[in-house]
Amino acid sequence: DGGITQSPKYLFRKEGQNVTLSCEQNLNHDAMYWYRQDPGQGLRLIYYSQIVNDFQKGDIAEGYSVSREKKESFPLTVTSAQKNPTAFYLCASSRGTGYQPQHFGDGTRLSIL
Amino acid sequence: GEDVEQSLFLSVREGDSSVINCTYTDSSSTYLYWYKQEPGAGLQLLTYIFSNMDMKQDQRLTVLLNKKDKHLSLRIADTQTGDSAIYFCAESPMDSNYQLIWGAGTKLIIKP
Repeated sequence: DGGITQSPKYLFRKEGQNVTLSCEQNLNHDAMYWYRQDPGQGLRLIYYSQIVNDFQKGDIAEGYSVSREKKESFPLTVTSAQKNPTAFYLCASSRGTGYQPQHFGDGTRLSIL
Repeated sequence: GEDVEQSLFLSVREGDSSVINCTYTDSSSTYLYWYKQEPGAGLQLLTYIFSNMDMKQDQRLTVLLNKKDKHLSLRIADTQTGDSAIYFCAESPMDSNYQLIWGAGTKLIIKP
């Protein structure tokens, strides 16, 4: 079955540590996205990529970094510069931009030790 | 500015219809989406509609669009306990390069 796989499901970060969240899709989608979800709020866009080797900042990119070396993969690094990283992180992909609907992974919950 | 608004909670009895409402502000042609999120899970696409349509029906789900009032609703017929979730409305305006603008989500609570 095609889909989006996020790993790990739960992740803990120590102070001053960078952590990387994995997102892999086998839907052959061109576009991929990272969102942050906090309780009682809608999704906020961190980064998105419309094509391999290219990505753009979203609304809350500070303290995060991404790479898009392969079409299937779009890992997100939460750096030590992100002072409030505790949240639920969601990865999505779509066939392209335009009206193509986004499809989501099951998320990674990041907490601070 | 662009904004999508939803009520935070809706409580309905099992077997009744649920109507979840959403308002949007963008004036350009747009796609409008409904997603469902169960606890601890990702978002599941339920349905979507283009802003030149009035209605779309898919089994127990009916989407109604009032373009004049920029009001979108999702009706779930014969609500079941499995429908308990958070429902997100999202807009994808053409003039924002189709980036999604999200509502805060409506938590649907099912009473026995």
